[in-house]
Amino acid sequence: KQEVTQIPAALSVPEGENLVLNCSFTDSAIYNLQWFRQDPGKGLTSLLLIQSSQREQTSGRLNASLDKSSGRSTLYIAASQPGDSATYLCADAAPGQGGKLIFGQGTELSVKP
Amino acid sequence: GAVVSQHPSRVICKSGTSVKIECRSLDFQATTMFWYRQFPKQSLMLMATSNEGSKATYEQGVEKDKFLINHASLTLSTLTVTSAHPEDSSFYICSASEGLQETQYFGPGTRLLVL
Repeated sequence: KQEVTQIPAALSVPEGENLVLNCSFTDSAIYNLQWFRQDPGKGLTSLLLIQSSQREQTSGRLNASLDKSSGRSTLYIAASQPGDSATYLCADAAPGQGGKLIFGQGTELSVKP
Repeated sequence: GAVVSQHPSRVICKSGTSVKIECRSLDFQATTMFWYRQFPKQSLMLMATSNEGSKATYEQGVEKDKFLINHASLTLSTLTVTSAHPEDSSFYICSASEGLQETQYFGPGTRLLVL
């Protein structure tokens, strides 16, 4: 059974700092891995999706990497801003599971001005 | 971009009553819709997967007679929480995709409070 873990559960950084969020998964047979952002009381916003054949994806200040052999993905946020404060969730989709996503517990990020 | 809406955004009901939550794909045909539940400070847990025109597939531990899911059209799925109890209070989020293994687009969520 696939398990997805995110460490740390919470992170507080000063504005302008570069940071890395971690996501690990137990079964390397994944179809893709996604990173989402969730603001308090809101739904999910998809940030980046990495297919199993890819190593990384970039969008603006965000870079997500995928290492299937070690069962890890990271989300790198450059030059963090207070507006980046939110909960970040990673989720993986396994092949042959009809698109089911298994989510990690999330990392609650706070960027202090 | 693909937009998914949910209605209502928040609902308060009395214990023992039933509540219906709607999930709509506004600009695409959603062959598959997913329903998730999220408790405070916890992650999303998949409750069930529904495909248009067929019965929903429920995850282990989710009571299908309590959480009724209908996916009668390619743009609408409904989740009905029957005989609601305070422990059903949660944040319910749906997602929709154009097919299996396709990108899921998430709705804004529905906050349910059962008194």
